[in-house]
Amino acid sequence: DGGITQSPKYLFRKEGQNVTLSCEQNLNHDAMYWYRQDPGQGLRLIYYSQIVNDFQKGDIAEGYSVSREKKESFPLTVTSAQKNPTAFYLCASSMGTALYEQYFGPGTRLTVT
Amino acid sequence: GQQVMQIPQYQHVQEGEDFTTYCNSSTTLSNIQWYKQRPGGHPVFLIQLVKSGEVKKQKRLTFQFGEAKKNSSLHITATQTTDVGTYFCAGLPSGTGNTGKLIFGQGTTLQVKP
Repeated sequence: DGGITQSPKYLFRKEGQNVTLSCEQNLNHDAMYWYRQDPGQGLRLIYYSQIVNDFQKGDIAEGYSVSREKKESFPLTVTSAQKNPTAFYLCASSMGTALYEQYFGPGTRLTVT
Repeated sequence: GQQVMQIPQYQHVQEGEDFTTYCNSSTTLSNIQWYKQRPGGHPVFLIQLVKSGEVKKQKRLTFQFGEAKKNSSLHITATQTTDVGTYFCAGLPSGTGNTGKLIFGQGTTLQVKP
């Protein structure tokens, strides 16, 4: 059953703690993306990776970090430096460049108090 | 910077009425993609347009890409309650090639009253 998975669905953390969100895909896609979605807002790109061991900052990378050690996995760490981390985080993958459709995971809703 | 604007932000319609959302870019786009996100769900790809003036249909949905490749529209004929959700457009600015990234509009949220 091919797809993209994110875990957990809901995550609660205290302020000052780092937290890592998981994203796994078995679609054999080269490119993976992390987006942040706030209520009533569109999708803002945090980081993206077009190939293993390489990634680029998106529009709102400050306070976040990623790694891409395996093709299937693209975890996102929300660090304590992120000033407003409470949001809905979406991971996506695609075959390659932005000329290909993106497949989204179910998302992780992070609440930091 | 490069921006993709969508209007309206919200639209409430009576079931059976038509609905249109518009997407406008500040720069020429290589492509335009449309996604639908149901309440509580994640975006799902609907369609991609790449040619100037292109029109594509999916049942009651009609997608257009403008002649100048700077705007697009999604029209739904005779809305149904299953059409409820947020519709996003996204485009790749021309000339950014393989390193470019999709720019998403803010989305139009459609509510349908039965």
